[in-house]
Amino acid sequence: DGGITQSPKYLFRKEGQNVTLSCEQNLNHDAMYWYRQDPGQGLRLIYYSQIVNDFQKGDIAEGYSVSREKKESFPLTVTSAQKNPTAFYLCASSIRGPRTTGELFFGEGSRLTVL
Amino acid sequence: KNEVEQSPQNLTAQEGEFITINCSYSVGISALHWLQQHPGGGIVSLFMLSSGKKKHGRLIATINIQEKHSSLHITASHPRDSAVYICAVLGRGGGADGLTFGKGTHLIIQP
Repeated sequence: DGGITQSPKYLFRKEGQNVTLSCEQNLNHDAMYWYRQDPGQGLRLIYYSQIVNDFQKGDIAEGYSVSREKKESFPLTVTSAQKNPTAFYLCASSIRGPRTTGELFFGEGSRLTVL
Repeated sequence: KNEVEQSPQNLTAQEGEFITINCSYSVGISALHWLQQHPGGGIVSLFMLSSGKKKHGRLIATINIQEKHSSLHITASHPRDSAVYICAVLGRGGGADGLTFGKGTHLIIQP
């Protein structure tokens, strides 16, 4: 079945370590997004990509990095520079890029806890 | 940037009740999304609408562009409807990808 796969579902990290969250989609979508969700807050955009080898910063990109080497894959690295990385991370995709009315498809999320 | 307010924040109802969740926004939009977040965290898109009304099964979404307001209705609610319902608006300007999300409405349907 078509969809978005995020891994791992749960991840624990020590302070000072980088960690990479995986996001793969087989929907043939051009646009992919990474959101962060914290308790009591709406989703906030970290990075998005409209096309392979191109990506744009979102509202809270500091301390994060991404790559888009393949259409299907959009991994997110949480670096040691991210001051408060403990959160729930959601990957999403849409057939067209941002500022369109395309339907959003989400993964199951990855919960990162920094010890 | 668009301000998105959802009400109520929390709602507990009995099975079979008619449920209404509201979403108001401050600036004109291109489209509005209603999303459902399951207890495990995954999110499913329920509706995307820019005018009028849409229906899917027991779910109905309406939007009033002039009043900058949308509602999500659930008829004959069931415990499996228990989830967080999120409203997101696609603005005509502002925001990296144009989407602003509400904080969500946590719905619990008791048997």
